[in-house]
Amino acid sequence: GENVEQHPSTLSVQEGDSAVIKCTYSDSASNYFPWYKQELGKRPQLIIDIRSNVGEKKDQRIAVTLNKTAKHFSLHITETQPEDSAVYFCAASKNTGGFKTIFGAGTRLFVKA
Amino acid sequence: NAGVTQTPKFRVLKTGQSMTLLCAQDMNHEYMYWYRQDPGMGLRLIHYSVGEGTTAKGEVPDGYNVSRLKKQNFLLGLESAAPSQTSVYFCASTPKIGLTEAFFGQGTRLTVV
Repeated sequence: GENVEQHPSTLSVQEGDSAVIKCTYSDSASNYFPWYKQELGKRPQLIIDIRSNVGEKKDQRIAVTLNKTAKHFSLHITETQPEDSAVYFCAASKNTGGFKTIFGAGTRLFVKA
Repeated sequence: NAGVTQTPKFRVLKTGQSMTLLCAQDMNHEYMYWYRQDPGMGLRLIHYSVGEGTTAKGEVPDGYNVSRLKKQNFLLGLESAAPSQTSVYFCASTPKIGLTEAFFGQGTRLTVV
């Protein structure tokens, strides 16, 4: 069935280093790819998103890249800070042929001070 | 502006009991969703609604029912709770179907014993 695979499941980096999280999706009709950050005990909140007509998007220390041919997209966090520690979820969404949003299983990021 | 509010925040049920989770949003969003979050499985869609009076099944609808009698409210019902329904439940809303930021409620932690 359709799915989104997210790697790694856990990532530990030193403060100031970069962190990269990768997702692969199976449904080629997906055309919207959001990333959510969920701090411990809190609700998921959108941090960045990208649509299928764009290859890369950047917002300060956060960037997302999309390769539609390969069906994968990645989240890049530069100059990581302890407050970046959280669980990050990617998702692939479409609204053609029926609405569907599939979330990845999540990546727990630890930023060590 | 409260955004998306879920009631209750915590609940313990005995197997076979029933309950209703309430989601309320004050952003005049057309679309509302119920997800469950389980460790290592990301967020899975239970049911969703594209407008007042309409509902549709998501990935994991079995054992749940929903109603959208008012635009601002989306109710999730468990008729006969099972231990497999132990999870954290999130409600979300979007102004358009799927391809925009989802605003999440704070979550309901449900334990079925």
